Amino acid sequence: NAGVTQTPKFQVLKTGQSMTLQCAQDMNHEYMSWYRQDPGMGLRLIHYSVGAGITDQGEVPNGYNVSRSTTEDFPLRLLSAAPSQTSVYFCASRHDEGSGANVLTFGAGSRLTVL
Amino acid sequence: ELKVEQNPLFLSMQEGKNYTIYCNYSTTSDRLYWYRQDPGKSLESLFVLLSNGAVKQEGRLMASLDTKARLSTLHITAAVHDLSATYFCAVNYQLIWGAGTKLIIKP
Repeated sequence: NAGVTQTPKFQVLKTGQSMTLQCAQDMNHEYMSWYRQDPGMGLRLIHYSVGAGITDQGEVPNGYNVSRSTTEDFPLRLLSAAPSQTSVYFCASRHDEGSGANVLTFGAGSRLTVL
Repeated sequence: ELKVEQNPLFLSMQEGKNYTIYCNYSTTSDRLYWYRQDPGKSLESLFVLLSNGAVKQEGRLMASLDTKARLSTLHITAAVHDLSATYFCAVNYQLIWGAGTKLIIKP
């Protein structure tokens, strides 16, 4: 049981380049999300999905795109990378149980540097 | 807008001491989470608190929730070096996160 798998772990981009961060989970979780973590700011939600074909914006969606064609996969696309997008990105998933505990399981993280 | 504040943001303490981390939030919430993050690693769930007065304990860590005061505490008893990490609280179904408390425990 792999949990949440993110690739790549490290990536360096030049300003203006595009790339996709991959996220896959094998726990049949309905809910998947992407966060960015910057020093001293906790985690900020970029985009999330409550099921295949359904996505929505979080707190900081600008410059990012997502899609959810399957339950397992939730890729995050950077359309035109900017230095402000230098960060550590975490994918996380959970069951969508309404009043339940809904604990998030996190991937290992992807460290992105934009030059 | 829901805001979550943790304090302190940084804490350096000696092994064997007790201390408390505080998590305040600005509007009502039906749940509160505590997570741990080791340097360069991912986040690991510690506790989920789902009701007023809820108390959860695991080893030297104990978390409590007062929904009327909009306050959760994470208490560390007789700290050991292995508890050095950054601790985050998060509130609400959509998880609004505090900035984290970096805890360093010196042998």
